[in-house]
Amino acid sequence: EVQLVESGGGWLQPGRSLRLSCVGSGFTFDDYAIHWVRQAPGKGLEWVSGITWGSANIAYADSVKGRFTTYRDNAKNSLYLQMDSLRPEDTALYYCARAKDGGLEDSLDYWGRGTLVTVSS
Amino acid sequence: EIVLTQSPATLSLSPGERATLSCRASQSIRSYLAWYQQKSGQAPRLLIYDASNRATGIPARFSGSGSGTDFTLTISSLEPEDFAVYYCQQRSNWPSFGGGTRVEIK
Repeated sequence: EVQLVESGGGWLQPGRSLRLSCVGSGFTFDDYAIHWVRQAPGKGLEWVSGITWGSANIAYADSVKGRFTTYRDNAKNSLYLQMDSLRPEDTALYYCARAKDGGLEDSLDYWGRGTLVTVSS
Repeated sequence: EIVLTQSPATLSLSPGERATLSCRASQSIRSYLAWYQQKSGQAPRLLIYDASNRATGIPARFSGSGSGTDFTLTISSLEPEDFAVYYCQQRSNWPSFGGGTRVEIK
């Protein structure tokens, strides 16, 4: 069974940093691009970042470019999102999701349950 | 940046009725459109990919159509479990999502 499990969320003040993790199981992790998608409370889905299987290509939404860094460790079946200079508008449930056919420009066929990040003073 | 606009924002229907949801792209995305269903407190679920292909395990009452800039998700006969929020997503470039359509019980 394909599973993605996020962790690392929490409450923190503006300007601080946080690292999220996503562990995949039930599939060959290093065959797939993986994405981060977030959802602010009561709002819609916003794509945040995506990374190809071998980390050759990494893309970011303009809203997080220069502040967030995505990387992966295929030996640990893990994806990470390093979030720096956090702002209140970064408050959201952060999901990791698998690219259906493995590429960066793709549909997302499996999703984790998300980890909540709250940025507030 | 490709912008997706979904309409209507809310659709009020009764079980058994047909639901028609629209997604319009700001430029041509060929057939590179997906639809997702999200129920309260749950992660999104992929329903349709590449405009008209049902994902694994998705019932036949869900169908997608369209190409270029105009796309439609149709639910032929609403079941109680179909009342949820639906999002479209393009993969012509880095992914982006529409604002969602809420299908609520009338």
